[in-house]
Amino acid sequence: DSGVTQTPKHLITATGQRVTLRCSPRSGDLSVYWYQQSLDQGLQFLIQYYNGEERAKGNILERFSAQQFPDLHSELNLSSLELGDSALYFCASSAHRGRNTEAFFGQGTRLTVV
Amino acid sequence: AQSVAQPEDQVNVAEGNPLTVKCTYSVSGNPYLFWYVQYPNRGLQFLLKYITGDNLVKGSYGFEAEFNKSQTSFHLKKPSALVSDSALYFCAVRDLAVFNNDMRFGAGTRLTVKP
Repeated sequence: DSGVTQTPKHLITATGQRVTLRCSPRSGDLSVYWYQQSLDQGLQFLIQYYNGEERAKGNILERFSAQQFPDLHSELNLSSLELGDSALYFCASSAHRGRNTEAFFGQGTRLTVV
Repeated sequence: AQSVAQPEDQVNVAEGNPLTVKCTYSVSGNPYLFWYVQYPNRGLQFLLKYITGDNLVKGSYGFEAEFNKSQTSFHLKKPSALVSDSALYFCAVRDLAVFNNDMRFGAGTRLTVKP
């Protein structure tokens, strides 16, 4: 158990809908990262938050947004969903600014858009 | 931005033989390098990291990796492969010259160890 909790584990929704994925980082970790893993594109970095502030942005679509709350949990919002958004979405956390520390991953949320 | 390449999509090894999973990186400063393993339907698990110091890093489950600055490589190795090592392996990098702290991953290499 990595200490990172993601909910829900599975999500099935229709095209055009909006969903929210939730992540609780390890106790004390200030950095939260979101990644998307699809079959044909490997692990893609989406966005990083540090202590409530956005720190880095990767290949995140404009239809997607995220935030980190004062209690450090994070949510990834996916809207106007398309079939191609079906993927595993991972959250990871690391300590402090943590450049020399590894990130710990949750079990992921499997999103299926039908 | 920093990037990582894993040149092999698939590596096949016989049980008991040594294994190598390759990784090369590109950064503008000095790198922090990481290896993760992913088993089916699971999240990524940390294996080992290179921060500074000895170029040979030892990690979990008997894995080790060698940092080679001149070749910008960080290959994962194990002297004797087990069937249970079969999984998806990811190399990742952080660039010390970049303020933002994100970790970039390679596309992954699927390791299959045959009995």
